[in-house]
Amino acid sequence: AQKITQTQPGMFVQEKEAVTLDCTYDTSDQSYGLFWYKQPSSGEMIFLIYQGSYDEQNATEGRYSLNFQKARKSANLVISASQLGDSAMYFCAMREGESGGSNYKLTFGKGTLLTVNP
Amino acid sequence: KAGVTQTPRYLIKTRGQQVTLSCSPISGHRSVSWYQQTPGQGLQFLFEYFSETQRNKGNFPGRFSGRQFSNSRSEMNVSTLELGDSALYLCASSMTQGVFGNTIYFGEGSWLTVV
Repeated sequence: AQKITQTQPGMFVQEKEAVTLDCTYDTSDQSYGLFWYKQPSSGEMIFLIYQGSYDEQNATEGRYSLNFQKARKSANLVISASQLGDSAMYFCAMREGESGGSNYKLTFGKGTLLTVNP
Repeated sequence: KAGVTQTPRYLIKTRGQQVTLSCSPISGHRSVSWYQQTPGQGLQFLFEYFSETQRNKGNFPGRFSGRQFSNSRSEMNVSTLELGDSALYLCASSMTQGVFGNTIYFGEGSWLTVV
């Protein structure tokens, strides 16, 4: 079974509107971290936001917020007031065993290609 | 401060050759990990180093190897290149290993084409 599922291969949004990118995850760990990255066509993977499994508040970073629903195992990224420069691939990723220190790798979803239209 | 630096950015190699990619982590970061990204397989974990020791390894053949130096800089090597090794290789760094909430930062990647 996939550990990270991003069901939207592509999304379109009008400039200045908000958009939600979906991510569901599968883990039996109690401690885990969820990340969102943006990857423009240049290839660089840009960190956007992080949510720990024990964080009670949803994470926010500027125009990015993470809608964390632990019981549903979902960690959707919300981008408010979309800009043309937001057009890129977006990846959801999970790191399991946050407190254990023995498993320090990210598992990625397949990504969502976001296109912002003027 | 400077981000994660990867060199070279682009390279073309012939099947059967070997290649070495370099990664300089963010200053103060001691954990370096490598990922391979291809259109077919997506992003896959290669290996992770901390304090010059390989801590985790992904499911890749022995042709893929790496090392980390005392200054935390890392190199990965692919020997006997195959066409399927054509990919974007991404290096990531974080401050320490296994610390809750430790953010992982990536470099711009090295685009490898095998012909």
